[in-house]
Amino acid sequence: SQKIEQNSEALNIQEGKTATLTCNYTNYSPAYLQWYRQDPGRGPVFLLLIRENEKEKRKERLKVTFDTTLKQSLFHITASQPADSATYLCAQFNNAGNMLTFGGGTRLMVKP
Amino acid sequence: DTGVSQDPRHKITKRGQNVTFRCDPISEHNRLYWYRQTLGQGPEFLTYFQNEAQLEKSRLLSDRFSAERPKGSFSTLEIQRTEQGDSAMYLCASSLRQGEDQPQHFGDGTRLSIL
Repeated sequence: SQKIEQNSEALNIQEGKTATLTCNYTNYSPAYLQWYRQDPGRGPVFLLLIRENEKEKRKERLKVTFDTTLKQSLFHITASQPADSATYLCAQFNNAGNMLTFGGGTRLMVKP
Repeated sequence: DTGVSQDPRHKITKRGQNVTFRCDPISEHNRLYWYRQTLGQGPEFLTYFQNEAQLEKSRLLSDRFSAERPKGSFSTLEIQRTEQGDSAMYLCASSLRQGEDQPQHFGDGTRLSIL
């Protein structure tokens, strides 16, 4: 079965720096990868989706890349702010498109 | 867009009791999903509905779990004879239609604690 791996260790960075989070997957390459943000005690919130034929996708200070050769997606937050502190989850659907599999998430802490 | 709402937000019960959670999806969304999330982990898929039909169930969903979506609107998730291992956050999500390009809209979950 497909597995999605994210760095379980928290990422601590200084305000203003760029945060880079990694998502690795095994087995088949998904047609799409999704990224979500989750705050403590809240449900995940959809951020960005990238297609396999898109190398890069941007939304304001967010950038996602998708490398099907490395089986990896990188999630960047530029000019990070303390308000960006949260857990970030990557996810993909199974081949049938009916079940979303999430990675374990990476907690980001942005210090002022 | 009023978002996905879940009720209750917190539930504390004794082992062996039955519990029921409710999810109200975004009104025009056909697909409704249930997930379970434990501390430090990502959400794990439990089951999903296309309108009123339950189309997929995870192996995580034991016989003690049952979900319904009457009339394709709100959904309920019932856990019978709760066990300590059922303690988790139960999340509901909805999406407009089928497709890997469809984002899921999550509620804020029901946190279940088994004493």
